[in-house]
Parts: sequence; structure tokens; C-alpha cells
Amino acid sequence: DAGITQSPRHKVTETGTPVTLRCHQTENHRYMYWYRQDPGHGLRLIHYSYGVKDTDKGEVSDGYSVSRSKTEDFLLTLESATSSQTSVYFCAISDDRDNTEAFFGQGTRLTVV
Amino acid sequence: GQNIDQPTEMTATEGAIVQINCTYQTSGFNGLFWYQQHAGEAPTFLSYNVLDGLEEKGRFSSFLSRSKGYSYLLLKELQMKDSASYLCAVLDNDYKLSFGAGTTVTVRA
Repeated sequence: DAGITQSPRHKVTETGTPVTLRCHQTENHRYMYWYRQDPGHGLRLIHYSYGVKDTDKGEVSDGYSVSRSKTEDFLLTLESATSSQTSVYFCAISDDRDNTEAFFGQGTRLTVV
Repeated sequence: GQNIDQPTEMTATEGAIVQINCTYQTSGFNGLFWYQQHAGEAPTFLSYNVLDGLEEKGRFSSFLSRSKGYSYLLLKELQMKDSASYLCAVLDNDYKLSFGAGTTVTVRA
């Protein structure tokens, strides 16, 4: 299995609180991605990174920020969580931009109450 | 925006064949992917098509027609463990993956 770990795996938080999800990889892959998965919508790209300190917005970036200070870690922050951000969050890594060797983490189930 | 359509659900019998269709309209095309996702688990890579035609990998095959914006995933000799969601995804001009909502396949004994 590819070395990709998400933490925490489950979290319940209150509306208005900040939340940070962590994605850690041991593959030294250049590209890292954050997706959310909701029923009826499939996976939607939130933010992605193509190197240390190089990040860009995806399809549903409002309300989220990211940071990548090291190759192995990609952090997703919800500055002020809302109920609409209740979702399952997946991190993915890839060695090339073609995503032909992309691997997904096990996911983080976030509930905002 | 990107538009990727696939059926929501399909049911088939163990040992049978099922074909999952995917149609897409996206801003450019740099490849089409199929992923398998069991309930509560991460998506795992099944296939990648960038040229027209059929790619075969064991019991699974994937077909692409770029001119028609169409792909299908063919699952042969269905097994109970094939019960899962199957996700169609397109890599666009910016090399970002856009996913369909997924097709849940249920295999019955």
C-alpha cells in the first residue's frame, strides 16, 4: 500500500470552530490533493499542491485553506466550520500531473454540529 | 463546469457481465480514469484510457471514444467482492480530475 495517512479519521466539531486535517505521505510524491465526497456529488477537488509552498484552488475552495511547508505534509484548514462542510475528506498523492499513479488516503469523516 | 454522467445504481448476478457507461463534457481532455470504491474505504485505481479503444486488465476492461465523449467499464465474471461504487473521472486541460457521482454495483448470488 502507498504510504499515505490521514488524521484524524473521524472528528465531530461545533459550528464556528477551526479544524485542521492532516495528510502525511512517505512516498516523496510531488502532487497532493484534497477532495470532499458527498452523496450525489462524487469527489470534488478542494485544493491541490504541486510542490512545497505551491498550492492552488480547486472546484470547491471557499471556506478552506491549505498549507504545504514540507513535501510529506499537506494540511487542510476550515477556518470556521459550517454544517455544509460535513463530509468525508480524502487526500490523494501523485508522482506526476497525469495522476496515473495517484493513491488515496483512507479518508476523514468530519461532522459539524 | 465539468459534466460527467454515469448511472446511479446497477444490479447484476454473480458470474454475469455488467457494463457501466460514462459520458463527459469537460474543458479539455488528458485522460479518463475508473476507480473502485468499497463502502467506507478509499477509491482505488482500476484503469486509465487516453487513446480511443479498449484496455483489458483481467476481468475488467475499459473503453474510450473521445469523439463521442464516452467510456464504459466492463466487469466480467462478476464476484460478490465486486459489489462497490465505480467512479468515472476525467483529467481536464489543467490536469485536474473531475469525478462523476459514481455507480453503485450490487452483485447478487
